[in-house]
Amino acid sequence: NAGVTQTPKFQVLKTGQSMTLQCAQDMNHNSMYWYRQDPGMGLRLIYYSASEGTTDKGEVPNGYNVSRLNKREFSLRLESAAPSQTSVYFCASSGWGDNEQFFGPGTRLTVL
Amino acid sequence: AQKITQTQPGMFVQEKEAVTLDCTYDTSDPSYGLFWYKQPSSGEMIFLIYQGSYDQQNATEGRYSLNFQKARKSANLVISASQLGDSAMYFCAMRDFNTGNQFYFGTGTSLTVIP
Repeated sequence: NAGVTQTPKFQVLKTGQSMTLQCAQDMNHNSMYWYRQDPGMGLRLIYYSASEGTTDKGEVPNGYNVSRLNKREFSLRLESAAPSQTSVYFCASSGWGDNEQFFGPGTRLTVL
Repeated sequence: AQKITQTQPGMFVQEKEAVTLDCTYDTSDPSYGLFWYKQPSSGEMIFLIYQGSYDQQNATEGRYSLNFQKARKSANLVISASQLGDSAMYFCAMRDFNTGNQFYFGTGTSLTVIP
């Protein structure tokens, strides 16, 4: 039981490059989330998926797209990376009855 | 509008003393959940404690307790008998069932335990 896994752990991009952050969970959770964490800002929600087949914008969606590929997987895509997207990205999941949101280990992304 | 407010950017506590980390929240939904997470310098998010809006008793988990004052919309975390390993960032969060199961996080409090 791996919980929530994210790949890659670290990534360096040049401005304008694209990339996809992968997230998978093996807890049969309905809801999945993508956050970014910047110093002094806490965690800010980028996109979330309340259930398979649905996605919704969070607080800071600009510059990102997501795909809920199936119940297990929720990917985050940066089409044209910008230095302002340098951050730590966390994927998380939760079930409707859960009293907890489970987090992946995070991806540290640097955009030069 | 800010849903979760943590007004203490940094806190210091002497080892073995108790410390309270403040959190206030804003919602008009009667059904919600409140959480505290710990983030050590290694970066992972560690779940500490949960309080449901309908729970009558304050939640406790070992040395952690949540001081839930519904009328004041506050959900303070109390850590008793602080240990050096408690030094970390602490985040308060709220689960809003009314907005599709979204979670809202505060900006965090950095706790340093002094030997």
